[in-house]
Amino acid sequence: AQSVAQPEDQVNVAEGNPLTVKCTYSVSGNPYLFWYVQYPNRGLQFLLKYITGDNLVKGSYGFEAEFNKSQTSFHLKKPSALVSDSALYFCAVRDPGSGNTGKLIFGQGTTLQVKP
Amino acid sequence: EAGVAQSPRYKIIEKRQSVAFWCNPISGHATLYWYQQILGQGPKLLIQFQNNGVVDDSQLPKDRFSAERLKGVDSTLKIQPAKLEDSAVYLCASSLAASGFLNTEAFFGQGTRLTVV
Repeated sequence: AQSVAQPEDQVNVAEGNPLTVKCTYSVSGNPYLFWYVQYPNRGLQFLLKYITGDNLVKGSYGFEAEFNKSQTSFHLKKPSALVSDSALYFCAVRDPGSGNTGKLIFGQGTTLQVKP
Repeated sequence: EAGVAQSPRYKIIEKRQSVAFWCNPISGHATLYWYQQILGQGPKLLIQFQNNGVVDDSQLPKDRFSAERLKGVDSTLKIQPAKLEDSAVYLCASSLAASGFLNTEAFFGQGTRLTVV
């Protein structure tokens, strides 16, 4: 069964410093991986995805993520954090294997707090 | 392009009452999802439709929850009777993700916040 884990409930970083939000996954085949951000009282907003190809994918608002197949990880990164990046971040995985329904499974979320 | 529309935004009901949520997905999106997000947790998939057929409802509490997607477009999610533990945000999402489009992302509505008292 597919699953995704975000080992940190909260990440704190100072504005201007690089940030990393961790994600690991488990699927039977090659995964499709996604990052979403959620601001208070809002729905989830798509940031970026990895499907195939270059392991480093770039997304919205200066975010990027690195796919590492050997470590089954897909960590979200940003070179220089902004206070406005403070939000709840979710990693999600879809197993595209034959016979699968395309179910999108989410991690439990990581709160990012960027301090001025 | 219009996004995923959900209504109502907020709902407060007493336990044992019934409630219904409505979702209008992005035009042309074959797949529609209903997720339950309890405070402090990630979204949990309740049911997934592809067009007007159910492809996954393994985590839907079928004794009290039901959902339908008429004509493969709009969808309603109903809870009857509600319990205190149903208090959560109910998120609807849609995507092109059908056979051949599994690499597409899902787009989410703003959600309905349900409080059961």
